[in-house]
Amino acid sequence: DTGVSQDPRHKITKRGQNVTFRCDPISEHNRLYWYRQTLGQGPEFLTYFQNEAQLEKSRLLSDRFSAERPKGSFSTLEIQRTEQGDSAMYLCASSLNGPTAWAQYFGPGTRLLVL
Amino acid sequence: QQQVKQSPQSLIVQKGGISIINCAYENTAFDYFPWYQQFPGKGPALLIAIRPDVSEKKEGRFTISFNKSAKQFSLHIMDSQPGDSATYFCAAPIDNAGNMLTFGGGTRLMVKP
Repeated sequence: DTGVSQDPRHKITKRGQNVTFRCDPISEHNRLYWYRQTLGQGPEFLTYFQNEAQLEKSRLLSDRFSAERPKGSFSTLEIQRTEQGDSAMYLCASSLNGPTAWAQYFGPGTRLLVL
Repeated sequence: QQQVKQSPQSLIVQKGGISIINCAYENTAFDYFPWYQQFPGKGPALLIAIRPDVSEKKEGRFTISFNKSAKQFSLHIMDSQPGDSATYFCAAPIDNAGNMLTFGGGTRLMVKP
């Protein structure tokens, strides 16, 4: 499968714990996006990378959230001191740079439940 | 504050019928309007997209109609099938540099056999 992959698919954690999610984009895509989706809502943008550079962060991304893409390939999203409000589906998407950057391809998501 | 407003929230259509989902936007700088299809437990899948300088785009049973003056666009699913039952999202890039997407609230479509 050459699509976007995410790991893990599901994560249950206790409030206050740290969690880390991984995203592997489509190999030739140099843009990588993180979105969050709560039940019954559309995805909301969190942050994006062009190669290894993090170029934009949403106000939704509190200081407990950090994302990296160290070699311009896979990315990780870490949430520190999780709160129940962090429970959501975390989606990763990738795209090419340039005029077709709007054409983003999503992974299956990581569903996080904070107890 | 949604920059793209979608309606209806849910839709029930008989097999073979036409499903119509509408979206309205405010930012005239949007330069592409993709539609995504999402099945339960899956990530959104890019379905079809249109530029604002085109009034209609058709791919198979899926058609996007675009009304630039009214700032509205709609997705039409012809000959709807039970396998089309999913949630559909319209979207637009927040800006034309980063192309971060802003999504509508979604329409849950059920096609009855």
